[in-house]
Amino acid sequence: ELKVEQNPLFLSMQEGKNYTIYCNYSTTSDRLYWYRQDPGKSLESLFVLLSNGAVKQEGRLMASLDTKARLSTLHITAAVHDLSATYFCAALKGGTSYGKLTFGQGTILTVHP
Amino acid sequence: GAVVSQHPSRVICKSGTSVKIECRSLDFQATTMFWYRQFPKQSLMLMATSNEGSKATYEQGVEKDKFLINHASLTLSTLTVTSAHPEDSSFYICSAEGLGYTGELFFGEGSRLTVL
Repeated sequence: ELKVEQNPLFLSMQEGKNYTIYCNYSTTSDRLYWYRQDPGKSLESLFVLLSNGAVKQEGRLMASLDTKARLSTLHITAAVHDLSATYFCAALKGGTSYGKLTFGQGTILTVHP
Repeated sequence: GAVVSQHPSRVICKSGTSVKIECRSLDFQATTMFWYRQFPKQSLMLMATSNEGSKATYEQGVEKDKFLINHASLTLSTLTVTSAHPEDSSFYICSAEGLGYTGELFFGEGSRLTVL
């Protein structure tokens, strides 16, 4: 059974600082997703990582995937308040369908001055 | 990007009644849609996979008679919570896998169900 674990679960950051959220998954997965969720809202897609060594960047966020270590990271550079949200990673559950995802617990990120 | 719309966004109902939630792909065809449930301050859990024109596939522990799923067309899947009880109160989110979109999933805005 695929399990996805994130750490930390809570992250309080100062503006301007850097930090990394880690996402470990227990069995082979074809792809890894990162999502952002604001309070009361649905998911916003951030990154889709499809292969070992994949690295994607968008603004202050950069995601990477190491399939051998079964590890993905979401790196935050020079955090700003607008990045405060809950971040989820999700791994493909396997099988024939691309939508069967197993989510991590989520990391609640708070960026303060 | 493609748009997935859910309706209603919020619904409050009395215990024992049934509630229907719609999930539509607005500008693409979705052969497969997925229904997730999210309890407050928790992660998302996959409930079922909905395939156009066939029966839904439910995840272990999800009652198929309680959560009825119908995927009648390539743009519409519905989730009906039958005889709802307060413990069914949750945020229900659908996602869709589009024809021609490789790897990307599109999530609806979510529907918050409160059962009194």
